Amino acid sequence: GNSVTQMEGPVTLSEEAFLTINCTYTATGYPSLFWYVQYPGEGLQLLLKATKADDKGSNKGFEATYRKETTSFHLEKGSVQVSDSAVYFCALSDTSGGSNYKLTFGKGTLLTVNP
Amino acid sequence: NAGVTQTPKFRVLKTGQSMTLLCAQDMNHEYMYWYRQDPGMGLRLIHYSVGEGTTAKGEVPDGYNVSRLKKQNFLLGLESAAPSQTSVYFCASSYSSGGPYEQYFGPGTRLTVT
Repeated sequence: GNSVTQMEGPVTLSEEAFLTINCTYTATGYPSLFWYVQYPGEGLQLLLKATKADDKGSNKGFEATYRKETTSFHLEKGSVQVSDSAVYFCALSDTSGGSNYKLTFGKGTLLTVNP
Repeated sequence: NAGVTQTPKFRVLKTGQSMTLLCAQDMNHEYMYWYRQDPGMGLRLIHYSVGEGTTAKGEVPDGYNVSRLKKQNFLLGLESAAPSQTSVYFCASSYSSGGPYEQYFGPGTRLTVT
Protein backbone atom coordinates (compact mmCIF):
# COMPACT_ATOMS: atom_id res chain seq x y z
CA GLY A 1 0.00 0.00 0.00
CA ASN A 2 0.87 3.67 -0.10
CA SER A 3 2.62 5.41 2.75
CA VAL A 4 4.30 8.71 3.54
CA THR A 5 7.01 9.17 6.14
CA GLN A 6 8.09 12.63 7.21
CA MET A 7 10.54 13.75 9.83
CA GLU A 8 9.19 13.96 13.30
CA GLY A 9 9.04 17.29 14.97
CA PRO A 10 8.82 19.56 16.53
CA VAL A 11 11.30 21.67 14.60
CA THR A 12 12.32 24.97 16.19
CA LEU A 13 14.27 27.54 14.21
CA SER A 14 15.29 31.14 14.51
CA GLU A 15 14.01 33.67 12.01
CA GLU A 16 16.00 33.67 8.72
CA ALA A 17 17.30 30.12 9.29
CA PHE A 18 17.24 27.48 6.56
CA LEU A 19 14.47 24.92 6.72
CA THR A 20 14.38 21.32 5.54
CA ILE A 21 11.56 18.92 6.32
CA ASN A 22 12.22 15.44 4.97
CA CYS A 23 9.53 13.38 3.28
CA THR A 24 9.83 9.95 1.70
CA TYR A 25 7.09 7.85 0.20
CA THR A 26 6.07 4.38 -0.91
CA ALA A 27 3.57 4.04 -3.72
CA THR A 28 2.43 1.31 -6.07
CA GLY A 29 2.11 3.56 -9.11
CA TYR A 30 3.26 7.00 -10.17
CA PRO A 31 2.09 9.39 -7.49
CA SER A 32 1.56 13.09 -7.46
CA LEU A 33 3.12 14.69 -4.39
CA PHE A 34 1.92 17.54 -2.23
CA TRP A 35 2.86 19.67 0.73
CA TYR A 36 0.01 21.06 2.78
CA VAL A 37 0.31 23.61 5.59
CA GLN A 38 -1.97 23.99 8.61
CA TYR A 39 -1.80 27.24 10.53
CA PRO A 40 -3.00 27.24 14.15
CA GLY A 41 -6.75 26.75 14.43
CA GLU A 42 -7.26 26.39 10.68
CA GLY A 43 -7.78 23.70 8.07
CA LEU A 44 -5.11 22.48 5.66
CA GLN A 45 -4.07 24.55 2.66
CA LEU A 46 -2.14 23.35 -0.35
CA LEU A 47 1.38 24.80 -0.27
CA LEU A 48 2.89 23.22 -3.39
CA LYS A 49 2.69 20.16 -5.59
CA ALA A 50 4.58 18.12 -8.19
CA THR A 51 3.15 15.60 -10.59
CA LYS A 52 6.13 13.79 -12.11
CA ALA A 53 9.77 12.96 -11.49
CA ASP A 54 12.16 15.94 -11.35
CA ASP A 55 9.29 18.44 -11.14
CA LYS A 56 9.89 21.23 -8.66
CA GLY A 57 6.95 22.71 -6.82
CA SER A 58 7.33 26.16 -5.32
CA ASN A 59 5.23 28.72 -3.47
CA LYS A 60 5.82 31.50 -0.91
CA GLY A 61 9.57 30.81 -0.91
CA PHE A 62 9.11 27.09 -0.24
CA GLU A 63 10.38 24.49 -2.70
CA ALA A 64 10.29 20.72 -3.07
CA THR A 65 11.64 18.51 -5.85
CA TYR A 66 10.09 15.18 -6.82
CA ARG A 67 12.97 12.67 -6.65
CA LYS A 68 11.86 9.32 -8.01
CA GLU A 69 15.25 7.64 -7.51
CA THR A 70 15.17 8.34 -3.76
CA THR A 71 11.35 8.39 -3.45
CA SER A 72 11.58 11.73 -1.70
CA PHE A 73 9.91 15.14 -1.73
CA HIS A 74 11.76 17.23 0.85
CA LEU A 75 10.44 20.69 1.70
CA GLU A 76 12.96 23.56 1.85
CA LYS A 77 12.95 27.28 2.48
CA GLY A 78 16.00 29.47 2.51
CA SER A 79 14.93 31.96 5.17
CA VAL A 80 12.00 31.22 7.45
CA GLN A 81 9.80 33.83 9.09
CA VAL A 82 7.78 33.79 12.29
CA SER A 83 4.65 33.63 10.12
CA ASP A 84 5.81 30.23 8.76
CA SER A 85 5.11 28.63 12.14
CA ALA A 86 2.61 25.88 11.35
CA VAL A 87 2.21 22.13 10.88
CA TYR A 88 3.41 20.83 7.50
CA PHE A 89 2.01 17.67 5.91
CA CYS A 90 3.49 15.70 3.05
CA ALA A 91 0.94 13.75 0.99
CA LEU A 92 0.66 11.65 -2.13
CA SER A 93 -2.05 10.83 -4.62
CA ASP A 94 -1.39 7.53 -6.35
CA THR A 95 -2.40 7.72 -10.00
CA SER A 96 -2.61 3.95 -10.49
CA GLY A 97 -5.83 2.03 -10.14
CA GLY A 98 -9.18 3.69 -9.56
CA SER A 99 -8.47 5.58 -6.35
CA ASN A 100 -6.21 8.33 -7.61
CA TYR A 101 -8.31 11.00 -5.97
CA LYS A 102 -7.50 9.82 -2.43
CA LEU A 103 -4.60 11.36 -0.56
CA THR A 104 -2.27 9.56 1.83
CA PHE A 105 -0.82 11.91 4.44
CA GLY A 106 2.27 11.85 6.59
CA LYS A 107 1.86 12.49 10.31
CA GLY A 108 2.81 16.14 10.09
CA THR A 109 5.77 18.20 11.30
CA LEU A 110 5.29 21.11 13.66
CA LEU A 111 7.52 24.07 12.83
CA THR A 112 8.04 26.90 15.29
CA VAL A 113 10.03 29.94 14.21
CA ASN A 114 11.27 32.26 16.94
CA PRO A 115 12.06 35.95 16.35
CA ASN B 1 -17.16 32.10 -2.68
CA ALA B 2 -16.97 30.53 0.79
CA GLY B 3 -15.10 27.37 -0.28
CA VAL B 4 -15.64 24.55 2.22
CA THR B 5 -17.58 25.30 5.39
CA GLN B 6 -18.25 23.09 8.40
CA THR B 7 -20.77 23.30 11.19
CA PRO B 8 -20.51 23.27 14.12
CA LYS B 9 -17.00 24.49 14.97
CA PHE B 10 -17.01 22.97 18.46
CA ARG B 11 -19.14 20.37 20.18
CA VAL B 12 -19.09 18.45 23.45
CA LEU B 13 -21.03 15.19 23.63
CA LYS B 14 -21.65 12.66 26.34
CA THR B 15 -20.90 9.02 25.64
CA GLY B 16 -23.81 7.46 23.76
CA GLN B 17 -25.19 10.68 22.34
CA SER B 18 -25.55 11.20 18.61
CA MET B 19 -24.77 14.11 16.35
CA THR B 20 -24.34 15.12 12.72
CA LEU B 21 -21.54 17.23 11.30
CA LEU B 22 -22.38 19.21 8.19
CA CYS B 23 -19.97 20.01 5.38
CA ALA B 24 -20.89 22.29 2.50
CA GLN B 25 -18.89 23.36 -0.56
CA ASP B 26 -19.71 25.91 -3.23
CA MET B 27 -17.06 24.94 -5.80
CA ASN B 28 -19.20 22.37 -7.62
CA HIS B 29 -16.74 19.64 -6.66
CA GLU B 30 -17.69 16.07 -7.38
CA TYR B 31 -15.60 14.44 -4.65
CA MET B 32 -15.92 15.02 -0.94
CA TYR B 33 -14.09 13.53 2.07
CA TRP B 34 -14.23 13.31 5.86
CA TYR B 35 -11.01 13.02 7.86
CA ARG B 36 -10.15 12.91 11.51
CA GLN B 37 -6.96 14.42 12.90
CA ASP B 38 -5.41 13.09 16.08
CA PRO B 39 -2.07 14.04 17.66
CA GLY B 40 0.80 12.12 16.10
CA MET B 41 -1.51 10.36 13.64
CA GLY B 42 -1.81 12.83 10.80
CA LEU B 43 -5.08 12.80 8.89
CA ARG B 44 -7.01 9.57 8.47
CA LEU B 45 -9.80 9.15 5.95
CA ILE B 46 -13.13 8.16 7.48
CA HIS B 47 -15.50 8.10 4.49
CA TYR B 48 -15.57 9.69 1.07
CA SER B 49 -17.97 10.29 -1.80
CA VAL B 50 -17.32 10.38 -5.54
CA GLY B 51 -20.68 11.89 -6.37
CA GLU B 52 -24.19 12.70 -5.23
CA GLY B 53 -25.86 9.64 -3.74
CA THR B 54 -22.64 7.61 -3.44
CA THR B 55 -20.42 7.02 -0.41
CA ALA B 56 -17.55 4.67 0.42
CA LYS B 57 -15.50 3.65 3.44
CA GLY B 58 -12.08 5.03 4.09
CA GLU B 59 -9.37 3.95 6.49
CA VAL B 60 -11.27 4.34 9.79
CA PRO B 61 -15.04 4.10 9.09
CA ASP B 62 -16.23 2.25 12.20
CA GLY B 63 -18.68 4.20 14.35
CA TYR B 64 -19.48 6.72 11.61
CA ASN B 65 -22.07 7.01 8.87
CA VAL B 66 -22.30 9.48 5.99
CA SER B 67 -24.77 10.73 3.45
CA ARG B 68 -24.47 12.76 0.24
CA LEU B 69 -28.02 13.63 -0.73
CA LYS B 70 -26.98 16.87 -2.45
CA LYS B 71 -23.81 17.44 -4.42
CA GLN B 72 -22.77 20.38 -2.28
CA ASN B 73 -23.32 18.72 1.11
CA PHE B 74 -21.64 15.81 2.88
CA LEU B 75 -22.90 14.80 6.31
CA LEU B 76 -20.99 12.81 8.93
CA GLY B 77 -23.01 11.11 11.65
CA LEU B 78 -22.05 9.59 14.95
CA GLU B 79 -24.89 7.35 16.15
CA SER B 80 -23.49 6.56 19.60
CA ALA B 81 -20.49 8.68 20.47
CA ALA B 82 -17.50 7.17 22.29
CA PRO B 83 -14.53 8.89 23.96
CA SER B 84 -12.28 7.41 21.23
CA GLN B 85 -14.09 9.67 18.77
CA THR B 86 -12.73 12.78 20.47
CA SER B 87 -10.87 14.41 17.61
CA VAL B 88 -10.77 17.26 15.13
CA TYR B 89 -12.82 16.48 12.03
CA PHE B 90 -12.03 17.97 8.64
CA CYS B 91 -14.10 17.92 5.52
CA ALA B 92 -12.50 18.35 2.10
CA SER B 93 -13.58 18.43 -1.52
CA SER B 94 -11.88 18.11 -4.89
CA TYR B 95 -12.48 18.11 -8.62
CA SER B 96 -13.02 14.81 -10.40
CA SER B 97 -10.99 15.40 -13.54
CA GLY B 98 -7.81 17.07 -14.68
CA GLY B 99 -5.63 15.83 -11.80
CA PRO B 100 -3.67 16.06 -9.57
CA TYR B 101 -6.54 16.04 -7.20
CA GLU B 102 -5.86 18.96 -4.92
CA GLN B 103 -8.19 18.82 -1.96
CA TYR B 104 -9.71 21.94 -0.41
CA PHE B 105 -10.26 21.74 3.33
CA GLY B 106 -12.78 23.23 5.71
CA PRO B 107 -11.77 24.87 9.01
CA GLY B 108 -12.54 21.79 11.11
CA THR B 109 -14.88 20.73 13.92
CA ARG B 110 -13.40 20.04 17.32
CA LEU B 111 -15.42 17.28 19.02
CA THR B 112 -14.99 16.17 22.61
CA VAL B 113 -16.79 13.09 23.92
CA THR B 114 -16.89 12.77 27.70
